[in-house]
Amino acid sequence: GAVVSQHPSRVICKSGTSVKIECRSLDFQATTMFWYRQFPKQSLMLMATSNEGSKATYEQGVEKDKFLINHASLTLSTLTVTSAHPEDSSFYICSALVARGRQAFFGQGTRLTVV
Amino acid sequence: QKEVEQNSGPLSVPEGAIASLNCTYSDRGSQSFFWYRQYSGKSPELIMSIYSNGDKEDGRFTAQLNKASQYVSLLIRDSQPSDSATYLCAVNRVTDKLIFGTGTRLQVFP
Repeated sequence: GAVVSQHPSRVICKSGTSVKIECRSLDFQATTMFWYRQFPKQSLMLMATSNEGSKATYEQGVEKDKFLINHASLTLSTLTVTSAHPEDSSFYICSALVARGRQAFFGQGTRLTVV
Repeated sequence: QKEVEQNSGPLSVPEGAIASLNCTYSDRGSQSFFWYRQYSGKSPELIMSIYSNGDKEDGRFTAQLNKASQYVSLLIRDSQPSDSATYLCAVNRVTDKLIFGTGTRLQVFP
C-alpha cells in the first residue's frame, strides 16, 4: 500500500513552545491530507483538511491560529501546534487519500506530551 | 445521531471463533467504507475497504455492506489473540474526509 511517513513519532515540549509535525507521502502525490487527533481510549477526531496550495479547512471547534497547517507541496503537509499547553498532549495522526479517494493511509502518528 | 456508530465493546471471543463487528452510518451519500485495526499506541492500519453492496472476502476477513440499511460489518474467522485490537469503521464520500466511528475493542482469549 501507499506509504505515509510522519515525523517525529514522539515529542516532549515545554508549555508555551511550538512543535512542528511533518507528514510526507513517499510514493505518491497527495493533494489532500487530513490531520486527526486522538485522546486516550477515544476515537480519531478530524482536526482539519489540508489542501496543497490553499488554506486548510478546519473542523468546528479547532483553533486555526493554534494549529497551523501548511501544505506547500504535493508530498508534504505540516502541522504546527503553537503555544502548546498540557491539554494539547495527544496522539496526532495524518492521513492521505489515494486511488481517487477510495483509500486512505495513515502516518505512524506523533505522540505529543506537553510538560 | 452520530455519523458513524459502533458498539465500543469489549467484544470477547475465544481463539478460533468468528468475531463479528458492526457499524451503522447516517449519511446516505457515503460511497466508501473502511475497516481499520488499531493497536494501542499505534496508528490505524487498513484491513478492508468495500464500495458496493454484498460481501468482500480477504483471507480471514469478510466485509459486508448493506447500503439500504446503512450497515457495514466485519467478520474475522479463526480469530487469533493477535487480532485483539480496536477496530475502527470509517466512511466517506469519494475524495472527502473519512469519518470514524468510536471503535470496537476486540479481545480474543486463548
